[in-house]
Amino acid sequence: DAKTTQPPSMDCAEGRAANLPCNHSTISGNEYVYWYRQIHSQGPQYIIHGLKNNETNEMASLIITEDRKSSTLILPHATLRDTAVYYCIVSHTGANSKLTFGKGITLSVRP
Amino acid sequence: GAVVSQHPSRVICKSGTSVKIECRSLDFQATTMFWYRQFPKQSLMLMATSNEGSKATYEQGVEKDKFLINHASLTLSTLTVTSAHPEDSSFYICSANPREMGGYTFGSGTRLTVV
Repeated sequence: DAKTTQPPSMDCAEGRAANLPCNHSTISGNEYVYWYRQIHSQGPQYIIHGLKNNETNEMASLIITEDRKSSTLILPHATLRDTAVYYCIVSHTGANSKLTFGKGITLSVRP
Repeated sequence: GAVVSQHPSRVICKSGTSVKIECRSLDFQATTMFWYRQFPKQSLMLMATSNEGSKATYEQGVEKDKFLINHASLTLSTLTVTSAHPEDSSFYICSANPREMGGYTFGSGTRLTVV
């Protein structure tokens, strides 16, 4: 699976949008971009995934560049409960596909 | 939504004993489940892929005789840490994919402390 690169940390003010970047320059044509987050001492939580089109759900929006070499996860109105480690993962879809976690980005939402 | 239940959430055991961790898919069937380990301030490391009705597939460097995996039904996978030592103390997490095209669901994790 392709590797991803994320900055180690970022912060944002509560109520503002949090834009989390991810580089995946070696992504292959049939690999998806997944985003998960892990709040301290809990299992990861699925957020969103996409192939090439932008995606939006009740949690976040995913913007994938046209060349698919990078993406941005957008939390439109960050709250204190969004403080977590966010992982950008590139993987094939399917129940047997393994997820390889990088170091992720630590998002700190400040009051 | 799909739920993966993991039990126990915390366990403390003495060095040399064995500990079993259960991972259940509550409202879907999972022919494949994944086991991860996470040390403090580190990311999740995939240990093995659990396959229903067949042998697990272990990642490089993971001792299969130490971390026994059994996936006897479509809703249950177990990880047994045998002859546990303090260095096995970690956060163990399982996951499964309830939908062919969706994201994975993770258990809440098991904090193992070996004393």
